[in-house]
Amino acid sequence: DAGVIQSPRHEVTEMGQEVTLRCKPISGHDYLFWYRQTMMRGLELLIYFNNNVPIDDSGMPEDRFSAKMPNASFSTLKIQPSEPRDSAVYFCASSPGQGTDTQYFGPGTRLTVL
Amino acid sequence: GENVEQHPSTLSVQEGDSAVIKCTYSDSASNYFPWYKQELGKRPQLIIDIRSNVGEKKDQRIAVTLNKTAKHFSLHITETQPEDSAVYFCAAKGSGYSTLTFGKGTMLLVSP
Repeated sequence: DAGVIQSPRHEVTEMGQEVTLRCKPISGHDYLFWYRQTMMRGLELLIYFNNNVPIDDSGMPEDRFSAKMPNASFSTLKIQPSEPRDSAVYFCASSPGQGTDTQYFGPGTRLTVL
Repeated sequence: GENVEQHPSTLSVQEGDSAVIKCTYSDSASNYFPWYKQELGKRPQLIIDIRSNVGEKKDQRIAVTLNKTAKHFSLHITETQPEDSAVYFCAAKGSGYSTLTFGKGTMLLVSP
């Protein structure tokens, strides 16, 4: 398996633009997580899905952020409109569930909002 | 919810020395404690984990210990090497199926 796949790896955009980050979890994993990592706040959980259903989105900073998982092999995190303070590395992770708690991280998307 | 504190925030050692990183957690029902290593510009990668029914686990030069009574767990790296230089994160999983709560990370620097 190729592991968790994220795209793009780097994104530079201007304030006010829409940004869409993409994630393909490991096949067969039931859980998908979106994290944001910054120097100031560390690794923060934004939202997670179980079997494509959003379970907890309490970490989503505000209404500008939204996430979807239309099927078991694809998820998106959208920011609209983007702001400079959204600049961070966004990680997607997946976990098998079914008694296995290990989370496997993707390579991350480094987002810079100018 | 769960709260995880990690210390120290930075740790500098000489090659060959041991390194110890400590974490405390708040939820006494937490039952899974992984450690992740993140090299600069890379993804966090699991290096070792422990469950609440085990007090210690070893894998070559790394070991993790868990004290459920005191609600703390530690990562021990022996015979450190320059390639051990990275940021290390501890995490705890609360009761039920819940998510991981991560510590703020420890930057370990191993000097040759």
